Amino acid sequence: AQRVTQPEKLLSVFKGAPVELKCNYSYSGSPELFWYVQYSRQRLQLLLRHISRESIKGFTADLNKGETSFHLKKPFAQEEDSAMYYCALSSGGSNYKLTFGKGTLLTVNP
Amino acid sequence: DTGVSQDPRHKITKRGQNVTFRCDPISEHNRLYWYRQTLGQGPEFLTYFQNEAQLEKSRLLSDRFSAERPKGSFSTLEIQRTEQGDSAMYLCASSLVGHALPYEQYFGPGTRLTVT
Repeated sequence: AQRVTQPEKLLSVFKGAPVELKCNYSYSGSPELFWYVQYSRQRLQLLLRHISRESIKGFTADLNKGETSFHLKKPFAQEEDSAMYYCALSSGGSNYKLTFGKGTLLTVNP
Repeated sequence: DTGVSQDPRHKITKRGQNVTFRCDPISEHNRLYWYRQTLGQGPEFLTYFQNEAQLEKSRLLSDRFSAERPKGSFSTLEIQRTEQGDSAMYLCASSLVGHALPYEQYFGPGTRLTVT
């Protein structure tokens, strides 16, 4: 069975500090990993996906198959980064359904 | 097209009543998903449609739940004889499968159900 673990429920940093949101997964095949973000009073939206190897809003995430991790990082946090972040895994096959972690609430203090 | 829409946004019902939610996906999207999210948890998969065909249902979807997508466009999720444990946010997402991987899912705002 596939599982996504986000060990931190809450993460608080100061503006300008580096931030890392942890995500570990368990899946026997080759997963596709995503980070979704939900800002206050907004819908869940895709932030980035590992296959694209892109940087969005200064965030990056590297898939580490050896450690089964997909941590989200940003070198200098901004107040507008405050949001709930969900790591998600798609097992592929033909259903592409997502398995989500429980989420990490990031607060960036001024 | 303003994205995935869901109706109603909030629903309060008494235990034992039936409720129905509607989801309108992005118009050209052929794939539609339903998820449920309870407090402190991430969304959990319930079921999905490819066009009008319901291809998979989670074990979370008891016999009291039924979903349809009659013309391959909007979808409805009905809960019969609601229980307090059904209280949750019900999320709908759509995607266009057939183009380049990975297939991004676009989420609606959700329907918050409260069963009293």
